Amino acid sequence: DIQMTQSPSSLSAYVGDRVTIACRASQSINNYLNWYQQSPGQAPKLVIYLASNLQSGVPSRFSGGGSGTDFTLSISGLQPEDFATYYCQQTYTTPLTFGGGTNVEIK
Amino acid sequence: QVQLVQSGAEVTKPGASVKVSCKASGYTFTDHFIHWVRQAPGHGLEWMGWINPNSGGTNYAQKFQGWVTMTGDTSINTVYMEVRLRSEDTAVYYCARGNGPGVNYYGVDVWGQGTTVTVSS
Repeated sequence: DIQMTQSPSSLSAYVGDRVTIACRASQSINNYLNWYQQSPGQAPKLVIYLASNLQSGVPSRFSGGGSGTDFTLSISGLQPEDFATYYCQQTYTTPLTFGGGTNVEIK
Repeated sequence: QVQLVQSGAEVTKPGASVKVSCKASGYTFTDHFIHWVRQAPGHGLEWMGWINPNSGGTNYAQKFQGWVTMTGDTSINTVYMEVRLRSEDTAVYYCARGNGPGVNYYGVDVWGQGTTVTVSS
């Protein structure tokens, strides 16, 4: 199975900050990498698909990049509703595996 | 609007089976795969498998082979996930729609509300 490792596992930031979350795959997955946002008690929400494509309805302050094994999710100008847990997921091959999550907290 | 509505919470004992339903509306049911993902309390997301509602074909994570069965009923736009439970299977179980017709590369874009399954003796 492909292992997905996210870093950091948690971070604290102020409203308005820019944050970047990293995700590393245990082998190359080309650009088959998606990002999800999950608020407490809610189902996850797709934010970015195929590494860098913004899902419909998601604000443009979210951006994704990377290919191969190393990927990033950036949020510029954090808003109160962005404080949540973020997961990466590879869809290169089954089993489709998720990273462990990054909790973005308000400082 | 596009939505997936799941069946209600379940409380059951180890060794029993539970069948969770996921009813789709607002789109052509047979165009999109349905995935199942679970989340144990305080833990991350775990992919269980997918079903192609058009063909009935399935793909399970090896961990769940022999424990999980995914089926669909195109007459009522509903998929089911039946799982034989162990004590460590307490979790919220989500169904989610493949993002893009007939493919799984683009992640999942619509999620059910989740079904809490509690396993306790």
